[in-house]
Amino acid sequence: GAGVSQTPSNKVTEKGKYVELRCDPISGHTALYWYRQSLGQGPEFLIYFQGTGAADDSGLPNDRFFAVRPEGSVSTLKIQRTERGDSAVYLCASSPLGTSGRRNTGELFFGEGSRLTVL
Amino acid sequence: QQPVQSPQAVILREGEDAVINCSSSKALYSVHWYRQKHGEAPVFLMILLKGGEQKGHEKISASFNEKKQQSSLYLTASQLSYSGTYFCGTASGSARQLTFGSGTQLTVLP
Repeated sequence: GAGVSQTPSNKVTEKGKYVELRCDPISGHTALYWYRQSLGQGPEFLIYFQGTGAADDSGLPNDRFFAVRPEGSVSTLKIQRTERGDSAVYLCASSPLGTSGRRNTGELFFGEGSRLTVL
Repeated sequence: QQPVQSPQAVILREGEDAVINCSSSKALYSVHWYRQKHGEAPVFLMILLKGGEQKGHEKISASFNEKKQQSSLYLTASQLSYSGTYFCGTASGSARQLTFGSGTQLTVLP
């Protein structure tokens, strides 16, 4: 597809379970971002990849959250021992370059998100 | 720190104008505006880099006052399709990620 693809679109799980959310960015985009959006709020930054490496993971709330991007394309966000407070829409975005600096292309291309509900 | 958006919500009639404000307590390098419709992905509108430039796209334009760390989004002669939640995202210094505000919900009525 031409856009950012996220799977699953919806995930319902029980407290304490492990969850993986997948993001397939636009082909050729080197930058990939994970954001979390709670109801009525703006997207909250979690982690940013430039290529295969996590350039900034300062937004991950705790060590239950982890993300990988082993080949510089698809990324997986992993949440261990899920809690009810983890319920949110997890958004992935990709960009040709980072969003700062003189080479700023500006645009983040967001996927439609994975809605996670922890019961 | 999260930028502050105002107003939180606005209701317009088709053809009316609206202004959405975004302010930050941090020195900003750039301000980004996105619109999100219910259940959909945020969609990029425009970016403003420090320097006080104003940008526009058709009837939507924006300004950035770097001294005040404020940006405003101007919607002129609003259309029904403008309805949605508008978010400003800010970037500071060398940071690559955006920090988004809580959004302004815009409803355009016929």
